[in-house]
Amino acid sequence: QKEVEQNSGPLSVPEGAIASLNCTYSDRGSQSFFWYRQYSGKSPELIMSIYSNGDKEDGRFTAQLNKASQYVSLLIRDSQPSDSATYLCAVNPDGGATNKLIFGTGTLLAVQP
Amino acid sequence: GAGVSQSPRYKVAKRGQDVALRCDPISGHVSLFWYQQALGQGPEFLTYFQNEAQLDKSGLPSDRFFAERPEGSVSTLKIQRTQQEDSAVYLCASSLSRDQETQYFGPGTRLLVL
Repeated sequence: QKEVEQNSGPLSVPEGAIASLNCTYSDRGSQSFFWYRQYSGKSPELIMSIYSNGDKEDGRFTAQLNKASQYVSLLIRDSQPSDSATYLCAVNPDGGATNKLIFGTGTLLAVQP
Repeated sequence: GAGVSQSPRYKVAKRGQDVALRCDPISGHVSLFWYQQALGQGPEFLTYFQNEAQLDKSGLPSDRFFAERPEGSVSTLKIQRTQQEDSAVYLCASSLSRDQETQYFGPGTRLLVL
């Protein structure tokens, strides 16, 4: 079983809609969770980090964490065509030992104008 | 300031050839990571440095892969006797310290082994 799982998509949403991206992880001891955006042919770019259960909002982005369910999600409000990219969920399973990240395979988001 | 830089950006190698990939982290960043990203996959951890010390090399796929960071800044990932399955994008990332988890990624080196 892969340690971090995401639906590969594509997830297609109309412009202005809410895009909901989901991720589950297997290591119950994981403490740190990240969402990266990766445009085609580019490197990953950090969007959000979350460490505590609940919601964390930053502009149009909201990350949600539920450690009991081992589930983390990213909501993008008022989706724009420029949001079209692959969204990578990443987990730090070490609790700070090395801070290496375990990534999911990514969800491809397509925002239709 | 400047971000993480990597060179070369593209490398074509014949099977069996040795290659060296360079990473210049953000100035002052203590932690440096190498990841391998195959097409359609997420990045996979290869190795981690804290300053010049290689503290985790558990992700290196074989003994053909070797990484170093001798002065605690620039790092080189070397792949000996390249194989076709080594074709991937090699990403370098750095973070300020072990306590600062945010990793900043370089543009990557796209390696194609023929």
